[in-house]
Amino acid sequence: EVQLMESGGGLVQPGGSLRLSCAASGFTFSSSWMHWVRQTPGKGLVWVSRIPSHGSSTTYADSVKGRFTISRDNGKNTLYLQMNSLRAEDTAVYYCAREGNRGTMEMDVWGKGTTVNVSS
Amino acid sequence: SYELPQPPSVSVSPGQTASITCSGDKLGDKYVCWYQQKPGQSPVLVIYQDTKRPSGIPERFSGSNSGNTATLTISGTQAMDEADYYCQTWVGSTAVFGGGTKLTVL
Repeated sequence: EVQLMESGGGLVQPGGSLRLSCAASGFTFSSSWMHWVRQTPGKGLVWVSRIPSHGSSTTYADSVKGRFTISRDNGKNTLYLQMNSLRAEDTAVYYCAREGNRGTMEMDVWGKGTTVNVSS
Repeated sequence: SYELPQPPSVSVSPGQTASITCSGDKLGDKYVCWYQQKPGQSPVLVIYQDTKRPSGIPERFSGSNSGNTATLTISGTQAMDEADYYCQTWVGSTAVFGGGTKLTVL
């Protein structure tokens, strides 16, 4: 079964750091481009970051550029999101998602999400 | 920045056709996909490359994209289709989501 499972969310103070993980199974992770997408409670989906299968040429939303770092370990089938200098507005459910292999950036597999709460 | 406005809500009677629009500058020149998200669940891809359905998505879901508007159409809407729907495209190497539309099946 194709599956993504996020972990690492929690409560953190403003200015703090957190690292999210996303464990992949059931497909060839090393061949898949991956994304992080977040959703504030009651609000819409917001794209955060993307990483190619080989790990270079990462891209970020302007709102997180310079603070968040996406990375992956293909040997461990795991995607990461290092979040530094966290702000209250980063509070959200964070989803990892697999990009389809069609070159058109649709996200065809999603995890269940992990919740990040930035609050003092 | 590129924006994709969607109507906040759409209502439809069971068995009728629901249409959800997504607008953007020259959107017809880009590929659009659509996601369904039910309360407490993760998004599910229902349409990709404007018109294609992933395996397992019912035939009543269809899509189109032309000019400045992409449309998700649900024919013979069922109660189980009540959900939030999001369009998505990409600009350069960044993904852009629409604001979402809440579909209510009355």
